[in-house]
Amino acid sequence: SQQGEEDPQALSIQEGENATMNCSYKTSINNLQWYRQNSGRGLVHLILIRSNEREKHSGRLRVTLDTSKKSSSLLITASRAADTASYFCATDGTGFQKLVFGTGTRLLVSP
Amino acid sequence: SQTIHQWPATLVQPVGSPLSLECTVEGTSNPNLYWYRQAAGRGLQLLFYSVGIGQISSEVPQNLSASRPQDRQFILSSKKLLLSDSGFYLCAWRGQGRNYGYTFGSGTRLTVV
Repeated sequence: SQQGEEDPQALSIQEGENATMNCSYKTSINNLQWYRQNSGRGLVHLILIRSNEREKHSGRLRVTLDTSKKSSSLLITASRAADTASYFCATDGTGFQKLVFGTGTRLLVSP
Repeated sequence: SQTIHQWPATLVQPVGSPLSLECTVEGTSNPNLYWYRQAAGRGLQLLFYSVGIGQISSEVPQNLSASRPQDRQFILSSKKLLLSDSGFYLCAWRGQGRNYGYTFGSGTRLTVV
């Protein structure tokens, strides 16, 4: 079953703009992760935020986590056409180590 | 460095035929291994995971099975494919540490006809 729900399902922006994607989940987590998938390819791990962290940065990526609301957001600043991909959040629950993925956000960045 | 290999990249199989997809990991030992399936335009569904040789846990009852004959080898199989088995199959691994991301293979696109 899929725990995470991402919003929006699709997002279309211009190069240079910021892109924000949101993820909601249902159960307690150990950490939350974001992945990127280019069309027809495997997933690439972007960033991990632990349950006791509220914000994390990596390059142009900024992730926030609100465990009281069971939600997370991924911000991509100064987007580029190469950022066009699907983005998934995934939760690692407090039980066995397995990731449960959300439904994904399809991001299109136009030049 | 660690690498993960998954093959074949694409596969077209008739209904009722058997299936064997293989995944191997290099550069690490005792990894946790995972098989996911992704339907077109959808998220990933966890099928099987393994914490060691011969140890397989199934997440979804279905027409598929998995085996781990060696520490760094994970195989997804079916005796008789169904149309509903079509999809994009992804293998992934993670080390024993909890707060690390998964590394995914490049995936196998399976079309059952």
